[in-house]
Amino acid sequence: AQSVSQHNHHVILSEAASLELGCNYSYGGTVNLFWYVQYPGQHLQLLLKYFSGDPLVKGIKGFEAEFIKSKFSFNLRKPSVQWSDTAEYFCAVNRGSTLGRLYFGRGTQLTVWP
Amino acid sequence: GAGVSQSPSNKVTEKGKDVELRCDPISGHTALYWYRQSLGQGLEFLIYFQGNSAPDKSGLPSDRFSAERTGGSVSTLTIQRTQQEDSAVYLCASSPAGQGSDTQYFGPGTRLTVL
Repeated sequence: AQSVSQHNHHVILSEAASLELGCNYSYGGTVNLFWYVQYPGQHLQLLLKYFSGDPLVKGIKGFEAEFIKSKFSFNLRKPSVQWSDTAEYFCAVNRGSTLGRLYFGRGTQLTVWP
Repeated sequence: GAGVSQSPSNKVTEKGKDVELRCDPISGHTALYWYRQSLGQGLEFLIYFQGNSAPDKSGLPSDRFSAERTGGSVSTLTIQRTQQEDSAVYLCASSPAGQGSDTQYFGPGTRLTVL
C-alpha cells in the first residue's frame, strides 16, 4: 500500500533558524510530489510540486524541496524561517499511473517563535 | 476568481442521522476530489470524479458513504446512519484536468461532529 511518512509531528523554531521537514514515500514507480501548507484559519494551499525535470524545486515564500529518487524522499527546506511560516505542512504523493488521487502524510505542525 | 466552496462549514448531528455535504468546485475544473481529515491524521482520500468517467470510489470507508456529481459541477457527499467515528473535517478539492501533476485546489472544509 502507498504510504507517506512525515518524520516530525511538531517542530518549534526561532525566527531566522533553518528548516528541513522530512518526507518519505513507499511507492517505487513514477510519482508526482507535493507540499501543501495550511496557515491558521486558512485553506490548504500548494507550496510547491515536482513532476519532472530539475529535482530541486522552488515554491512560494522562499521554500524549496529536493526530490531524491534513490531515497524515496522529498524534503522541504527553508534557509531562514519567519513567524508567518507558522502553519501545518503536508507532504503528498500521486502515483503517476493513478490519475489525480493524492496520498498524504500526517502533517507537521511548525511553530516559529518571534 | 472564486475558489472551491463547501457548505455547511459546520455540521453537528446525532448518531444515526443522515448528512449531506456540498462542494462547488472552481468553474471549468473537470476533476473533483473528496478527502477526510480526522484528528491527528493526514488527509484520507475518499472519492474522485473526472469528467464523465466512472468515479474512483476506492477510498470510501463503508457503504454508508456515497457521493454524486451533477452536471459535471457540484458534488454532494452523503453519509447515512452517521457514527461517532465519522466525525472529521471533510475537504473537497478540484483540479483543471485530473492529471497526476495537477495542483488540487482545496475548499475550506466541512467540520462534521457526530454526537
